[in-house]
Amino acid sequence: DAKTTQPNSMESNEEEPVHLPCNHSTISGTDYIHWYRQLPSQGPEYVIHGLTSNVNNRMASLAIAEDRKSSTLILHRATLRDAAVYYCIPRNNTDKLIFGTGTRLQVFP
Amino acid sequence: NAGVMQNPRHLVRRRGQEARLRCSPMKGHSHVYWYRQLPEEGLKFMVYLQKENIIDESGMPKERFSAEFPKEGPSILRIQQVVRGDSAAYFCASSPIGGTGYNEQFFGPGTRLTVL
Repeated sequence: DAKTTQPNSMESNEEEPVHLPCNHSTISGTDYIHWYRQLPSQGPEYVIHGLTSNVNNRMASLAIAEDRKSSTLILHRATLRDAAVYYCIPRNNTDKLIFGTGTRLQVFP
Repeated sequence: NAGVMQNPRHLVRRRGQEARLRCSPMKGHSHVYWYRQLPEEGLKFMVYLQKENIIDESGMPKERFSAEFPKEGPSILRIQQVVRGDSAAYFCASSPIGGTGYNEQFFGPGTRLTVL
């Protein structure tokens, strides 16, 4: 399983963009990169995933480095509801999600 | 389409009792996963089931814990003779497909087990 490194915490102001980095230098060529988040007292929630190309959905954008050893989750305009722990999870044809310690994002009004 | 449902949301047991946690996957989902989150710790995979079969139980403690996903009805995570160290939030997730690296897992709200 690929190891990940994420900042323990980050802060943002409302309405500002947030870039959440993840280092996964041991990722294999067929690992998808998933991002989940966990809001306080709730279950995890899928955010986005990608393989090689950058991806966009209604929640966020995922920028994947050309060598795939790192990726960045981009929240274009943070809201108070985006305050959560964000997990970057490389995944290769396995059904289990292996959660690291994630990044705790605080959003200030 | 209702999301993943778990019940009870909160469960209190005394040491030595049994705990039964139920998970109803989303409609049409035949793949169920259980995860545990100990206080101040990260989420850990426990077991993956597909209707009537255990596919991967590599994260399950060897004793006292069992899981099932019968043909009809919810998935059950059963903890026998609970100890204080079992106090945690237990999350269930479901997916319409398995065996890939890209399928999304949909999580329930969790059951918070407290062992007195």
